[in-house]
Amino acid sequence: GENVEQHPSTLSVQEGDSAVIKCTYSDSASNYFPWYKQELGKRPQLIIDIRSNVGEKKDQRIAVTLNKTAKHFSLHITETQPEDSAVYFCAAHDYKLSFGAGTTVTVRA
Amino acid sequence: NAGVTQTPKFQVLKTGQSMTLQCAQDMNHEYMSWYRQDPGMGLRLIHYSVGAGITDQGEVPNGYNVSRSTTEDFPLRLLSAAPSQTSVYFCAVTDSTSGTEAFFGQGTRLTVV
Repeated sequence: GENVEQHPSTLSVQEGDSAVIKCTYSDSASNYFPWYKQELGKRPQLIIDIRSNVGEKKDQRIAVTLNKTAKHFSLHITETQPEDSAVYFCAAHDYKLSFGAGTTVTVRA
Repeated sequence: NAGVTQTPKFQVLKTGQSMTLQCAQDMNHEYMSWYRQDPGMGLRLIHYSVGAGITDQGEVPNGYNVSRSTTEDFPLRLLSAAPSQTSVYFCAVTDSTSGTEAFFGQGTRLTVV
């Protein structure tokens, strides 16, 4: 089955700086790569996703890149704000959705 | 339009007790799944269903049973609770097996003592 690895497990950034989270996947059949944000005590919610036929996607301060050859994808958050503090999960979908272990992002004011 | 409704929100069980976590959706989506969330381990798939009458095992199925008699409901049963099943459980719903946004229920925090 699919194995998704996510790094780093924790990330502390100064407000206004950028944050980058990296994930790798094992199954070349995976074709959909979403990112979820989970605030404390809340459910995960989709923030951005990318399909295997696209290399990069951007939505305001958030961008995702995908390298199918290397089987890795990354989340980039620019101009971080305190409300970006949360746990972020990457995931890969072949016929089911497999998640990484999560990254706890803390934005310092 | 409630989306994905998961109950209960909190539950404490004694070792050996059984219970059912409920998940109901009004989105008319075919694909439903159960995950457990433990610190440092992300979301791990327990069981999933691609439609009524069809279920399959995920990554960590032992100790859990599921059934899918309708499109709307996908209950998760713990047959004999163990402390290792202490976790936060999420039900998730998507509209296809090809990869689209998953909508999560509010979660159930289960403690087994």
